[in-house]
Amino acid sequence: QVQLQESGPGLVKPSETLSLTCTVSGGSISNFYWSWIRQPPGKGLEWIGYMYHSGSANINPSLKSRVTISVDTSNNQFSLKLNSVTAADTAVYFCARGGGRGNFWFDPWGQGTLVTVSS
Amino acid sequence: QSALTQPASVSGSPGQSIAISCTGTTSNVGNYNLVSWYQQHPGKAPKLMIYEGSKRPSGVSNRFSGSKSGNTASLTISGLQAEDEADYYCCSYATGSTLVFGGGTKLTVL
Repeated sequence: QVQLQESGPGLVKPSETLSLTCTVSGGSISNFYWSWIRQPPGKGLEWIGYMYHSGSANINPSLKSRVTISVDTSNNQFSLKLNSVTAADTAVYFCARGGGRGNFWFDPWGQGTLVTVSS
Repeated sequence: QSALTQPASVSGSPGQSIAISCTGTTSNVGNYNLVSWYQQHPGKAPKLMIYEGSKRPSGVSNRFSGSKSGNTASLTISGLQAEDEADYYCCSYATGSTLVFGGGTKLTVL
């Protein structure tokens, strides 16, 4: 079955750019929507945005000015970039399949990766 | 502040039924039957339990069911078991092709 795995630095300095990659295995990244979701320590979930394999994307309006989501179909990966980070961006970041038209739910999920913003 | 409102906690004894509410507005829950529910155990990734309001993915127990009335969606768990103790989150499609989560509900099995 499809599995997702997040990867990237666990520590990012304030004002710098957070970059994460989600690798999809067990299935093709094509013909599906793919999302990023985050969860600050001890808090709830926040949808960051989704991307279709073709490259069209939709981002949470509260993060739109700082977020870029891209897809690399040749490597079955999609990526998240969040710039100008602050301590408020410290969270576990999850990637998941879904979020877009005809698939407004998330399944499956990656295990999540903790990113801490600190100098 | 989350766009969808859930109770912070609910509890029930083994074998009982409980319901978790998820209240939104006509911009999300009220106008779309596109609510999903997730179960999250500590330190784990969320797991999809219900999608499109009331549909159960393959492998999810039929003790879990979803419904909606007006601007409020609900997740009902019948025949409570110890392993159901977890955090539960609702999520809804919202106007503008965005998605919004509830603040989460901690379920305690007494």
